[in-house]
Amino acid sequence: GAGVSQSPSNKVTEKGKDVELRCDPISGHTALYWYRQSLGQGLEFLIYFQGNSAPDKSGLPSDRFSAERTGGSVSTLTIQRTQQEDSAVYLCASSLGRNTDTQYFGPGTRLTVL
Amino acid sequence: QQQVKQSPQSLIVQKGGISIINCAYENTAFDYFPWYQQFPGKGPALLIAIRPDVSEKKEGRFTISFNKSAKQFSLHIMDSQPGDSATYFCAARRQGAQKLVFGQGTRLTINP
Repeated sequence: GAGVSQSPSNKVTEKGKDVELRCDPISGHTALYWYRQSLGQGLEFLIYFQGNSAPDKSGLPSDRFSAERTGGSVSTLTIQRTQQEDSAVYLCASSLGRNTDTQYFGPGTRLTVL
Repeated sequence: QQQVKQSPQSLIVQKGGISIINCAYENTAFDYFPWYQQFPGKGPALLIAIRPDVSEKKEGRFTISFNKSAKQFSLHIMDSQPGDSATYFCAARRQGAQKLVFGQGTRLTINP
């Protein structure tokens, strides 16, 4: 079956521009996560959705970062006024629901801020 | 604060050898410890996971050893193959939470 998909796969933008990253979770998965992977680093949690609500936003690094999820499915991560330090791979994951263990990751969006 | 510390950063092993990657954690509220495997250009994929009520879990050539008192766990890859060359991440999740806390990753290279 289809896994988690993300678009675009690569995004190059200029400092100060806004970007939107999209995640399509596995059908039927109610939990959705965003993580960030900087070069040579581990994955850093950003936000968790259960359905359309986000009970844990603790990883969002600044108010320039926001995310939403609609219809309990697609999620968009928006970064406003991008900075060079925002350059990273943004990974989305989904899982069957609350209290389920396995998170399935998408291939990521590589964001480069010039 | 680095809640999960992983070592080594990189590891080279000969084909057929044993690869060992170690992780240490600080938060005793962690109750789920997965290992993820990531190939270049791909997202991480769950390899094997353990809960603290057991000291070892084996799936094929992959084994997790867990030491609750030392707050350490490790991944052992037996009979390592070139296809195992990837980056491996340990992670932990606190009881009642959903997010995973990841280690820094280990780049494993298996020489043929």
